[in-house]
Amino acid sequence: EPEVTQTPSHQVTQMGQEVILRCVPISNHLYFYWYRQILGQKVEFLVSFYNNEISEKSEIFDDQFSVERPDGSNFTLKIRSTKLEDSAMYFCANPTAGGRTDTQYFGPGTRLTVL
Amino acid sequence: GENVEQHPSTLSVQEGDSAVIKCTYSDSASNYFPWYKQELGKRPQLIIDIRSNVGEKKDQRIAVTLNKTAKHFSLHITETQPEDSAVYFCAASPFTGNQFYFGTGTSLTVIP
Repeated sequence: EPEVTQTPSHQVTQMGQEVILRCVPISNHLYFYWYRQILGQKVEFLVSFYNNEISEKSEIFDDQFSVERPDGSNFTLKIRSTKLEDSAMYFCANPTAGGRTDTQYFGPGTRLTVL
Repeated sequence: GENVEQHPSTLSVQEGDSAVIKCTYSDSASNYFPWYKQELGKRPQLIIDIRSNVGEKKDQRIAVTLNKTAKHFSLHITETQPEDSAVYFCAASPFTGNQFYFGTGTSLTVIP
């Protein structure tokens, strides 16, 4: 069964720098999500994409965040000016290719460390 | 918005015993309730889910029950094994394509 993939697996950056996290979702699905998980805490919703547009975003997803689909298949999450508190695991997710739209399958995640 | 609470935060059981994790939710519009298992340093993996039109669902040693009236749902693991040790998260979602609201997680340790 196809899986969601993410790159890089680990990103280390200096505070104030921009980072771009990439995800290749399960193909042919209109829904797409980004979540983050601070170490030892719960998974938190950031933003959802439907049919190439942001459909919902949380309070966490402020102006420093943006999400794009630059080439029709990959999705990117950009953090413009990273802060120490942005250190977390970032997961992308989307429904299985089996036609169900209610469940979400997670990618392996990118561990972002802001120094 | 939806608020999902999860208890207990940690749970230790002897191998072979049962484990029960409970979650409550606040939004009566929520109609889909997945459970995820997350091993250390890995992605959350869906282990079982239930929709609001069903009261119980079972998959081998894992079962989930849902009480819509009381707005709570539970994960039951029977005959626990050491490989069941992980953090378990419940979640709730009101609509297809909507975000998942996650509980705070339960760290389950199965003692051999």
